[in-house]
Amino acid sequence: GESVGLHLPTLSVQEGDNSIINCAYSNSASDYFIWYKQESGKGPQFIIDIRSNMDKRQGQRVTVLLNKTVKHLSLQIAATQPGDSAVYFCAVGEDNYGQNFVFGPGTRLSVLP
Amino acid sequence: GEEVAQTPKHLVRGEGQKAKLYCAPIKGHSYVFWYQQVLKNEFKFLISFQNENVFDETGMPKERFSAKCLPNSPCSLEIQATKLEDSAVYFCASSQGTGVNEQFFGPGTRLTVL
Repeated sequence: GESVGLHLPTLSVQEGDNSIINCAYSNSASDYFIWYKQESGKGPQFIIDIRSNMDKRQGQRVTVLLNKTVKHLSLQIAATQPGDSAVYFCAVGEDNYGQNFVFGPGTRLSVLP
Repeated sequence: GEEVAQTPKHLVRGEGQKAKLYCAPIKGHSYVFWYQQVLKNEFKFLISFQNENVFDETGMPKERFSAKCLPNSPCSLEIQATKLEDSAVYFCASSQGTGVNEQFFGPGTRLTVL
């Protein structure tokens, strides 16, 4: 089965710097990847997704990079702001249906003034 | 409503007691999902509904856990005879379709079993 892990449980960055949060997965059949943001006391919020037929996808201040060769996924946040402080985690599945999704353990991002 | 509502926000139960959690999906959403978030933020899918019908229950523990989505009522997740390891935050999500990227999550119910 799929296992999903993150390299760092916590990450501190200075306001204005770029943040990079990483995720590793094990199943080479994984086709769909999502990054979530979870603020304290709230449910996860969808940030961005990517399919395995892409290497890179950009959103507003966020970029997701997918390296299928090494089964690695990263979320880059440009010009990190205090409002970006949250737990970020990836979810990996063989398709876009929730039943088979595996969620990673999460990285807590702290933005320092 | 415009947001997924979950009640109660916190629930404390003694070991062996029953716990019942509620979820009101966003109006117009046909699908409801329940997840369990334990320590270290790991999410586990429990069960999903399409309207009042079970869509997938592959994540539900075989014993003690049950869930319902009845017409004109909030969906519910019930745990009979709670155990210490049931302590977690239980999230409900709703969506118009089955896509994971379509899900909107509620704020969760924190269950503490003493």
